[in-house]
Amino acid sequence: GAVVSQHPSRVICKSGTSVKIECRSLDFQATTMFWYRQFPKQSLMLMATSNEGSKATYEQGVEKDKFLINHASLTLSTLTVTSAHPEDSSFYICSARTADNEQFFGPGTRLTVL
Amino acid sequence: GQQVMQIPQYQHVQEGEDFTTYCNSSTTLSNIQWYKQRPGGHPVFLIQLVKSGEVKKQKRLTFQFGEAKKNSSLHITATQTTDVGTYFCAGRPSGTYKYIFGTGTRLKVLA
Repeated sequence: GAVVSQHPSRVICKSGTSVKIECRSLDFQATTMFWYRQFPKQSLMLMATSNEGSKATYEQGVEKDKFLINHASLTLSTLTVTSAHPEDSSFYICSARTADNEQFFGPGTRLTVL
Repeated sequence: GQQVMQIPQYQHVQEGEDFTTYCNSSTTLSNIQWYKQRPGGHPVFLIQLVKSGEVKKQKRLTFQFGEAKKNSSLHITATQTTDVGTYFCAGRPSGTYKYIFGTGTRLKVLA
């Protein structure tokens, strides 16, 4: 299947700092990427849909000024957690959609905010 | 809002026993996908179902999409220890482009 990478895989930061997470589709172009958040032993919650060349669409309850999404190219989307707080600690996973409407997930980024 | 529920939440089975997880959506779906997530890993795409009443098989796994396109099931025959993980369904409500993940079923297989 198609490959999606995420960087970094783990990040620890201090409260109040910003963290950027990258999501790349390595062998296909993705006009749409999705960002999810997963708390331990829970399901994946869609945060936002990232469309190349346009503004992201955020789900209800997700603060767009806190979770900045940029989809600068057909292979790269970034999520920036601004002014991170301990409650933002979570597993963030992106996925990229292929032309056949399959989704391929990145390996995830574990964010810990101290 | 749109919800996708899965039952059971947990299932422990003896190796060799069968296992089924059920997925129910509050709204009609365009299609449904199934994923497996191993502990500490990320979701891995298993299959996509599109047609009403569709049944697909992958070795010991059988996937079914309901006639009303609001529910789906995953059945594993003769479970093995390698089947351990959490199985998620993800449905795409009709008229939308996004997927809503089910609550997941965590499977434990006892050797």
